[in-house]
Amino acid sequence: DIVMTQSPDSLAVSLGERATINCKSSQSVLYSSNNKNYLAWYQQKPGQPPKLLIYWASTRESGVPDRFSGSGSGTDFTLTISSLQAEDVAVYYCQQYYSTPPSTFGQGTRLEIK
Amino acid sequence: EVQLVESGGGLVQPGGSLRLSCAASGFTFSSYEMNWVRQAPGKGLEWVSYISSSGSTIYYADSVKGRFTISRDNAKNSLYLQMNSLRAEDTAVYYCARNIRLGELSLGDLPYYFDYWGQGTLVTVSS
Repeated sequence: DIVMTQSPDSLAVSLGERATINCKSSQSVLYSSNNKNYLAWYQQKPGQPPKLLIYWASTRESGVPDRFSGSGSGTDFTLTISSLQAEDVAVYYCQQYYSTPPSTFGQGTRLEIK
Repeated sequence: EVQLVESGGGLVQPGGSLRLSCAASGFTFSSYEMNWVRQAPGKGLEWVSYISSSGSTIYYADSVKGRFTISRDNAKNSLYLQMNSLRAEDTAVYYCARNIRLGELSLGDLPYYFDYWGQGTLVTVSS
């Protein structure tokens, strides 16, 4: 199984500042035949289900603000929030869907306001 | 509007059984693969099970294999999870989640990423 490891476990950022969350997979999730990274990011606010933010490592889901961006390839990925808003307080998860089943998630990164 | 509504959770003793349901609306249910994902209290997300649109392909996480059974009724737009031999470590919120359709980027009938999630139903296994 591919193990997904996020860093840090928690993060406190001031409003308007940049937040960066990292995700590392134990093996590459890049499919060479189509040059796609099978990596998604989700946001989960307290008491709510996860919400899809980004897929293919860098494609924003419809309706997701453009302050959210994803980058990376192979085994190392980053979710960046360019200017943190109060409503971005949440736990963020990465997920690989390259080698499934099982589809595996990172342990989550808790993002708070400093 | 896509809606997924889970039901059937509750308190059950170790070794007991429970059947979860997920009612789908707002999309052509029979065209989509579906999943169950769970989240233990204060913990992260764990994929549990996948079923293809026709029900012909099914996968389980090792942690539930042999104890849980996923099924669907396309005529009723419903997804199910039959959970037997429940353990304390099965305590979690269980979400049904719609599998994205990848088209030409698909690697087969497999769990991919999930574009819609229900609100979840809590299963508590305790004596």
